[in-house]
Amino acid sequence: NAGVTQTPKFRVLKTGQSMTLLCAQDMNHEYMYWYRQDPGMGLRLIHYSVGEGTTAKGEVPDGYNVSRLKKQNFLLGLESAAPSQTSVYFCASSYEGDEQFFGPGTRLTVL
Amino acid sequence: DQQVKQNSPSLSVQEGRISILNCDYTNSMFDYFLWYKKYPAEGPTFLISISSIKDKNEDGRFTVFLNKSAKHLSLHIVPSQPGDSAVYFCAAPEGANNLFFGTGTRLTVIP
Repeated sequence: NAGVTQTPKFRVLKTGQSMTLLCAQDMNHEYMYWYRQDPGMGLRLIHYSVGEGTTAKGEVPDGYNVSRLKKQNFLLGLESAAPSQTSVYFCASSYEGDEQFFGPGTRLTVL
Repeated sequence: DQQVKQNSPSLSVQEGRISILNCDYTNSMFDYFLWYKKYPAEGPTFLISISSIKDKNEDGRFTVFLNKSAKHLSLHIVPSQPGDSAVYFCAAPEGANNLFFGTGTRLTVIP
């Protein structure tokens, strides 16, 4: 039982490049979330999903897109990366929107 | 505007003593609070929670106190151990779709 896993762990992009972060959970959770954590700030919600095929915007959605084609996977896309998107990204999942289980994070640097 | 605030970025405590981590919130609609613990290069892990119908919840060495009139909660760790050294986040959910995090307090337990 791996819990929540994230791929990749680290990535360096140039401004304007695109990439996709993958989150996978094996707990059969309905809810999945993408957060970013920046220095001196708490985690902030980017997008979330309340079930397969559904997505919704969180607190800081601009510049990101998401997809939930399968219940166990939640993808976060950056179409044209900007230096302001340099951050640590955390994926999380929960059964009924209560306790959230987090992945180990992806450290992204945009040059 | 930060709805959940942790005003102490860091705290150092001797091993065996009590650690007290504080959290304030501004949204009186919050009715459930969680504490997460985060080690470097890992995702946050759930530690303890409290519902607004209670003013105290205890789990082993960890106790959370809630003062609704002051919009304040605190996490007590007794006795503190070196393995408790981590960043602690206070969080409050808005429905099932968003978790507002504080900025975290880095606890260092000195052996």
